[in-house]
Order: sequence, then C-alpha cells, then structure tokens
Amino acid sequence: SYELTQPPSVSVSPGQTARITCSGDALPKQYAYWYQQKPGQAPVLVIYKDSERPSGIPERFSGSSSGTTVTLTISGVQAEDEADYYCQSADSSGTWPLGVFGGGTKLTVL
Amino acid sequence: QVQLVESGGGVVQPGRSLRLSCAASGFTFSSYGMHWVRQAPGKGLEWVAVIWYDGSNKYYADSVKGRFTISRDNSKNTLYLQMNSLRAEDTAVYYCARDEEMATIDISGFDYWGQGTLVTVSS
Repeated sequence: SYELTQPPSVSVSPGQTARITCSGDALPKQYAYWYQQKPGQAPVLVIYKDSERPSGIPERFSGSSSGTTVTLTISGVQAEDEADYYCQSADSSGTWPLGVFGGGTKLTVL
Repeated sequence: QVQLVESGGGVVQPGRSLRLSCAASGFTFSSYGMHWVRQAPGKGLEWVAVIWYDGSNKYYADSVKGRFTISRDNSKNTLYLQMNSLRAEDTAVYYCARDEEMATIDISGFDYWGQGTLVTVSS
C-alpha cells in the first residue's frame, strides 16, 4: 500500500525556521496537504495543494514540492506552533482512490 | 460559518454495531464530498472512507472495507458511518471532514473538520 513518510520529530528554537518533510512516490502526480493538530483538538488545514495557504493561516507557514518530497516550512517559529503535523495525499494508483496520511511529525519548540 | 458536529460514539462490545452521524451546516452540503478520518489513542490520523458529493461513489480503507458503510442524506445535511463487526482496533476518535474541492470525483484535502466522537470497543 502507498505510504507517506515523515520524520517522527523536529525541534527548533523560537524564531528559527522549522522544516518538515513528507516523502511519497506519487507526490509528483498528486497534491499534498498539511494539517496541524494540537492536543485534544481536531486537525487544522494549514497548507493545501502543495503550497497554498488557507485564509486565516499565518504567513509564516509555507509549503513546497520537489520530486517525491513535499516540505512544510514554518518561518520564525513561535511557541504556539508546537503541535503534531501531518501530510496527506491521495493514492489513485489502484482501482479506486484512497486517502493516505503520513505518520505525523511532532514539532517541539525549545 | 461551516460547522460539522459528530455524534453517536460510545462504548460497544466487540462484534457489535454502531452508527455515527455528522450534522453539517453553513455550506451547501450536497456540493461536497465528505470523509471519515479516525485517530486511535496516542496514534496518528487514518483515513477511513469517502463519499462523493452526490452519493454516487464510496471508497474505504482496507482496514474497514466490508465492515463499515458510509452514507449521506443530502436532504438532512447529514453524513453517516455504519460500523459493523467492531474490533478493539477500531477504538478511536472519529472525525468527519469536508473535501476542500467542490463537486470533485477525487480525493483532495480536508478543509473543515468536526470535533470528533470517541468510539471505544471493549468487552
């Protein structure tokens, strides 16, 4: 089955730049989406279609794509950005489409 | 504003059934595909199922195929998940989520989520 691979954890100091990667063979052909999830809360979409930012999401959140890897970049990290981050895409290689999530990355703000 | 409110969770014995509901408001429900996503305690997100905006197609994760059925009533702005033959590994918070593309026949991202409803499968 199709998998998206993320690092389990990323740590940065406040004000630094955090980069979270997500790798998958189909990412050159399918858009990726990124979600932020804080403890006890539902996920929130922070990046859609690889690099688009929904309204209300701070400009410090950005997304990029290169080959089989997409990257979520948080510039000028703030304490409130500490959360779990998940990438998501679609697997359309089979008979029917399936949704797929990466395993998640815990962002720690030191 | 867009709102998704899940209900129907609870404690159920292995092998029994449960039906979840998701009441939608603040948007044209019949124009969007809808998904169920779950999260086991302390674990990551797992996509469960999708139903097209018009109910014409439904697709499932391998882990629930043949046991779960997604459906919708566009006249009631409500999404459902019928869960049969429940197992301990189905224990999770279940979220309904809206597909971010209107009237799509593919899986995109999820732009709005409900607050989730907890399903616990235990004897």
